Amino acid sequence: DGGITQSPKYLFRKEGQNVTLSCEQNLNHDAMYWYRQDPGQGLRLIYYSQIVNDFQKGDIAEGYSVSREKKESFPLTVTSAQKNPTAFYLCASSAGFQGIPFFGPGTRLTVL
Amino acid sequence: EDQVTQSPEALRLQEGESSSLNCSYTVSGLRGLFWYRQDPGKGPEFLFTLYSAGEEKEKERLKATLTKKESFLHITAPKPEDSATYLCAVQSSNYQLIWGAGTKLIIKP
Repeated sequence: DGGITQSPKYLFRKEGQNVTLSCEQNLNHDAMYWYRQDPGQGLRLIYYSQIVNDFQKGDIAEGYSVSREKKESFPLTVTSAQKNPTAFYLCASSAGFQGIPFFGPGTRLTVL
Repeated sequence: EDQVTQSPEALRLQEGESSSLNCSYTVSGLRGLFWYRQDPGKGPEFLFTLYSAGEEKEKERLKATLTKKESFLHITAPKPEDSATYLCAVQSSNYQLIWGAGTKLIIKP
């Protein structure tokens, strides 16, 4: 079955730690995205990638980093510079940048 | 400034009681409007895309409509399994997506 997988489902981070969230898709989509979801707010774009080895900052990129070495994979690292990382993180992909985004199941990150 | 506003924030209905959710927008050059359903702790599930004023799409008990300023998601005779948060997103002329905060729908049996 084609789809998007995210791991882990739950992640706990200590102060000062970097953590990496995994996102894999087998839809053969060129574009991939990372969003952050907080209660009462719309989804906010962290980073996006339209093609392998290329990515752009979204609206809230500070404290985050990404890589796109393979078409199928778009991992997100939450660095210690992100002061308020507790949130629900969603990965999405689309056939092109103008296409309909399809979402993974999400990763809930909590800072201890 | 591009903006998407969804109302109400929450809506409680009895099973079988039809109603509508609203998504109003201001955007420079609408490319499309998307509706998603999100269950608690899960990723959004795509429902509809609307591209031009007057367009309508239906899926089971859901019907989405679009005008030049807003979209409605009509729910006819809802069932408890329709309970979820419904998200609206607008795609602007540069293909960026602007998201609303969502409407939490609760259907009581």
